[in-house]
Amino acid sequence: KQEVTQIPAALSVPEGENLVLNCSFTDSAIYNLQWFRQDPGKGLTSLLLIQSSQREQTSGRLNASLDKSSGRSTLYIAASQPGDSATYLCAVRIYNQGGKLIFGQGTELSVKP
Amino acid sequence: SQTIHQWPATLVQPVGSPLSLECTVEGTSNPNLYWYRQAAGRGLQLLFYSVGIGQISSEVPQNLSASRPQDRQFILSSKKLLLSDSGFYLCAWSAGGGLNEQFFGPGTRLTVL
Repeated sequence: KQEVTQIPAALSVPEGENLVLNCSFTDSAIYNLQWFRQDPGKGLTSLLLIQSSQREQTSGRLNASLDKSSGRSTLYIAASQPGDSATYLCAVRIYNQGGKLIFGQGTELSVKP
Repeated sequence: SQTIHQWPATLVQPVGSPLSLECTVEGTSNPNLYWYRQAAGRGLQLLFYSVGIGQISSEVPQNLSASRPQDRQFILSSKKLLLSDSGFYLCAWSAGGGLNEQFFGPGTRLTVL
């Protein structure tokens, strides 16, 4: 059974700091991995999709890496800003069941001005 | 461009009352559609997914049902709500095949009293 874990559960950093969020999964047989952002009381915003054959994807100040064999992904946020404060969720997509996503519990990020 | 709508945004219902939540997608055809629930302090759980009109797959036994009467319409229902049905309900879509990026709607906050 696939399980996704995110560490830490919460993180508080001063503005301008670079930071790394971690995601691990137990079964390496994934199709791809997706990182999301969720603001309080809102839906999920897709940040990055990284295919199983890829090592990393970049969008602006965000960089996601994937090491499928070790079951790990990281989301790197450069030069953090208060507007980055949100919960970040990673999810892996397994091959069957219509493209089902299995989510981690999320990392709640707070960037202090 | 594609957009996904959910309504209502917020709902307060008594125990034992019926439920109907609606999700519609614009700007695409034959999407895969998903219903997730996010309960307080817990991660996102997939409830139902659909790969086509009238095709519904249930992930967990529960008090809820789903229907897809039209290509871009997905409905979540219950005949009698339980207290444990409270949560944040999110609809999502992905392009046909289901292995593509998933995009989420704004969510419905359901409180059962």
